[in-house]
Amino acid sequence: DTEVTQTPKHLVMGMTNKKSLKCEQHMGHRAMYWYKQKAKKPPELMFVYSYEKLSINESVPSRFSPECPNSSLLNLHLHALQPEDSALYLCASSHLGLAGSNEQYFGPGTRLTVT
Amino acid sequence: SQQGEEDPQALSIQEGENATMNCSYKTSINNLQWYRQNSGRGLVHLILIRSNEREKHSGRLRVTLDTSKKSSSLLITASRAADTASYFCATAPDDYKLSFGAGTTVTVRA
Repeated sequence: DTEVTQTPKHLVMGMTNKKSLKCEQHMGHRAMYWYKQKAKKPPELMFVYSYEKLSINESVPSRFSPECPNSSLLNLHLHALQPEDSALYLCASSHLGLAGSNEQYFGPGTRLTVT
Repeated sequence: SQQGEEDPQALSIQEGENATMNCSYKTSINNLQWYRQNSGRGLVHLILIRSNEREKHSGRLRVTLDTSKKSSSLLITASRAADTASYFCATAPDDYKLSFGAGTTVTVRA
């Protein structure tokens, strides 16, 4: 199974809502990532988890809260978002410990609209 | 942060023609990767070239890497309509982080 799944596919939320994005992989990857992608722009790294621990936070606002409950699951909790947070949120995973080889597998993304 | 810069920004070719796009980057790397993204969907890994490699092939794809010029190119031969997508180079300064270039949008006309 070389698939990364993400739910939901689409999400519309108000600025006062709390919602969560979910990501799952069963490839045995021990690194998982959240990216944000605006239209016609490249993905921008938000968070990296390695061995279920947060290893990189790219200065993301606290209204985005990641969580890695186990080695297969990654969540992104959303609270008090702003309209400019509307974007495609991509989850990815990869192996760790292979120097110079960190091919990432991406999910299809969650299209988030903040109203 | 975005490290790779790609050109051209957009490319339109006839089916059967070759498509070439270039990527330049700024800092030292462990490897450079190319990804494809169909409209509004997730990215698909195409090919990875390590910093000690100069050329790599995968099917109709050919990637070159020139670390002295900090540049890479992706060639797609005998293009098909299904190759219509955005193509991103991504540099890996360490084992975890990928920094994506701005991307090249390729349109293959039937």
